[in-house]
Amino acid sequence: QKEVEQNSGPLSVPEGAIASLNCTYSDRGSQSFFWYRQYSGKSPELIMFIYSNGDKEDGRFTAQLNKASQYVSLLIRDSQPSDSATYLCAAGHPVGYNKLIFGAGTRLAVHP
Amino acid sequence: DVKVTQSSRYLVKRTGEKVFLECVQDMDHENMFWYRQDPGLGLRLIYFSYDVKMKEKGDIPEGYSVSREKKERFSLILESASTNQTSMYLCASSALGGDTEAFFGQGTRLTVV
Repeated sequence: QKEVEQNSGPLSVPEGAIASLNCTYSDRGSQSFFWYRQYSGKSPELIMFIYSNGDKEDGRFTAQLNKASQYVSLLIRDSQPSDSATYLCAAGHPVGYNKLIFGAGTRLAVHP
Repeated sequence: DVKVTQSSRYLVKRTGEKVFLECVQDMDHENMFWYRQDPGLGLRLIYFSYDVKMKEKGDIPEGYSVSREKKERFSLILESASTNQTSMYLCASSALGGDTEAFFGQGTRLTVV
């Protein structure tokens, strides 16, 4: 079992809709969780991080964490074609200086 | 503007060659990481370092070694390149702490022929 699992997609949503991206993790000791966006041919860039149960909002993005269910999600409201990218979920490993373990990523396609 | 710089964007090497990938960061970060990224597999951690001369194996260290002689520089070494090491290699750095962001370099696309 992979430590961090994501559906590879593609997830296709119409422009203006809410895109919901999900991630599960296996290590209950993971403390912090990160969502990165990666455009084709580019490096990952951080969108949000979350380490407390509940929701965290930043503009059109909301990260949700449920430690009991070992589940992390990212909601993108009012999706735009420019949001089309691969979204990587990462868990901060509990042992070892913030080592990040990544999922395989979910490809999001927002169509006009 | 924070920066993680990898020495090459594209590399082509022959099977059996010793290959060096260099990474430099200008943020005075303690942590540095080397990942490889392959389609469908995401980013897999090869090695990381949390201090000068300190290194820890990641999930796929076989066939690789690393060197960190200075805080700002972290090198990945392929001792004897093989075709299954053809991949995108990404270097990242972060400060100490559980909620610190990792910043990535632009990546090196390595092809081993």
